[in-house]
Amino acid sequence: NAGVTQTPKFQVLKTGQSMTLQCAQDMNHNSMYWYRQDPGMGLRLIYYSASEGTTDKGEVPNGYNVSRLNKREFSLRLESAAPSQTSVYFCASIGRVYEQYFGPGTRLTVT
Amino acid sequence: KQEVTQIPAALSVPEGENLVLNCSFTDSAIYNLQWFRQDPGKGLTSLLLIQSSQREQTSGRLNASLDKSSGRSTLYIAASQPGDSATYLCAVMDSNYQLIWGAGTKLIIKP
Repeated sequence: NAGVTQTPKFQVLKTGQSMTLQCAQDMNHNSMYWYRQDPGMGLRLIYYSASEGTTDKGEVPNGYNVSRLNKREFSLRLESAAPSQTSVYFCASIGRVYEQYFGPGTRLTVT
Repeated sequence: KQEVTQIPAALSVPEGENLVLNCSFTDSAIYNLQWFRQDPGKGLTSLLLIQSSQREQTSGRLNASLDKSSGRSTLYIAASQPGDSATYLCAVMDSNYQLIWGAGTKLIIKP
């Protein structure tokens, strides 16, 4: 039982490049979230998926797209990376009483 | 709009002391409140979850209280240890099942 896994752990991109962050959970949860965390700020919700086949925008969705590939996997795509997207990205899976289980994070730098 | 504030932003205490971390929120219409721990460069670990109908939760040396009417929660750590050093984050879940995060309190326990 790995919980929530994320790949890659680290990534450096040049401005304008694209990439996809992968997230998977093995807890059979319906809901999954993507957050970003910036220094001195709390986590901010980018997108979430309440169930397989559905996705919704969070607080800061601009510049991102998501795919809920199946119940296990929820990916986050940056189509054209910008320096403002330098951040740590966390995926979370939501349990039965809305407790959140987090992955280890992806540290992204855009130069 | 719900806002979550954690004061102080940083706290340093000698080993063995009991301490209290504070979390305040502006809208009492919450579904639950959760406390998390984050170690440097790591993901978030859930510590305690208090449902809106509850007043407190305990886990080992940790006790979290919730007073919805005053918009406050406290996390009490008894007999602090150097291993407790981390950033502690508070988050409230609003009526739309979205988590609103505080910016965290960085705790250092000095041996």
